[in-house]
Amino acid sequence: EAGVAQSPRYKIIEKRQSVAFWCNPISGHATLYWYQQILGQGPKLLIQFQNNGVVDDSQLPKDRFSAERLKGVDSTLKIQPAKLEDSAVYLCASSPLSGGDTEAFFGQGTRLTVV
Amino acid sequence: EDQVTQSPEALRLQEGESSSLNCSYTVSGLRGLFWYRQDPGKGPEFLFTLYSAGEEKEKERLKATLTKKESFLHITAPKPEDSATYLCAVRRSSNTGKLIFGQGTTLQVKP
Repeated sequence: EAGVAQSPRYKIIEKRQSVAFWCNPISGHATLYWYQQILGQGPKLLIQFQNNGVVDDSQLPKDRFSAERLKGVDSTLKIQPAKLEDSAVYLCASSPLSGGDTEAFFGQGTRLTVV
Repeated sequence: EDQVTQSPEALRLQEGESSSLNCSYTVSGLRGLFWYRQDPGKGPEFLFTLYSAGEEKEKERLKATLTKKESFLHITAPKPEDSATYLCAVRRSSNTGKLIFGQGTTLQVKP
């Protein structure tokens, strides 16, 4: 079974520039998550989709971050404009269901460096 | 406020030296406690889910246990390949699948 695919693996941008990350979840998984992991910390949820609807985006900085999941499959996360504190690894995860007993499967992440 | 705290932050062991990692949590209505392993440059890899106090799960040299306030990840006779960061996370009793993570424990096992 193919895992969660993310691209790019690495990205370096200057502050105030924009950047986009792409995620392809495991086939058939209805739920998709974007997490932010700052160096030395655990992942923090930014946004959760159930199919193509948003379930939780309470910790998404909506003045600069946006995300979409078209057709309930692939998803993109965008940052515009980027700040230095956005330097982190952005992890995409998916699970068959939104809650209950199902674990989330993570991709390898995109490491963003804002200079 | 939901909170997950892991200790120690870093742990160095000699190969074969058993030890335990701690995960203390405060959550309104625990739906599940999750343990993940994260290798450098990779995403977290699922290890265990625990649901109720007294529950235990094992996988190779790892055993996870759960009480009402904390979870332990016991590592028996570790090998260098067990070196990684171990993350603990909790899920609330709600309709979402949101995981609240601790900061992780970085384990180094020396041969």
